[in-house]
Amino acid sequence: EVQLVQSGAEVKKPGESLKISCKGSGYSFTSYWIGWVRQMPGKGLEWMGIIYPGDSDTRYSPSFQGQVTISAERSTSTAYLQWNSLKASDTAMYYCARSSYSRSRFDSWGQGTLVTVSS
Amino acid sequence: NFMLTQPRSVSESPGKTVTISCTGSSGSIASNYVQWYQQRPGRAPVNVIYDDNQRPSGVPDRFSGSIDRSSNSASLTISGLKTEDEADYYCQSHDINYRGVFGGGTKLTVL
Repeated sequence: EVQLVQSGAEVKKPGESLKISCKGSGYSFTSYWIGWVRQMPGKGLEWMGIIYPGDSDTRYSPSFQGQVTISAERSTSTAYLQWNSLKASDTAMYYCARSSYSRSRFDSWGQGTLVTVSS
Repeated sequence: NFMLTQPRSVSESPGKTVTISCTGSSGSIASNYVQWYQQRPGRAPVNVIYDDNQRPSGVPDRFSGSIDRSSNSASLTISGLKTEDEADYYCQSHDINYRGVFGGGTKLTVL
């Protein structure tokens, strides 16, 4: 069974750094893309970026380029989403999701990680 | 920037048919496949249509997708509406640089 298990909820202060994770199991982690999707409170889905763990090829939405870093660790089948300096506007639910290729559907989703940034 | 526009909300009665549109801002929506997702409150999205009109296993055949090149739009049609279909629906495609884009989402009310 394909599973994407995300790390737990985080509460941070503005200016702090954060790295959340998404661990894949039940499939070949290096053969599928992992994307990240933001959902701000009460709002819609936003495509942030995607990585191919096989060779670390990474694509970012223009809205998120330079704001976050997406990475993956093949040895632990884990993808990451990282911020160097959080803002209150980063408060959102973040989902990771699997894709067969970079322009394909997301066929399996993580449960989501809620990030709250507040002073 | 490439954008996908959806109606904010639609509503229909149980047993009826509803269609949700997704219009591309530029270029041809047929240039890249369109995917559709259903999201119930407090849950992660679930893919209900992929590659314009394909249905994942487990999704009822009441769900169908199509592309209309003349209006540069995609559509999700749900027939025989059930109360369990009440959810937010999102279309998704890609821009010319193969970066993903979601539509703004449509809230379906089955009343």
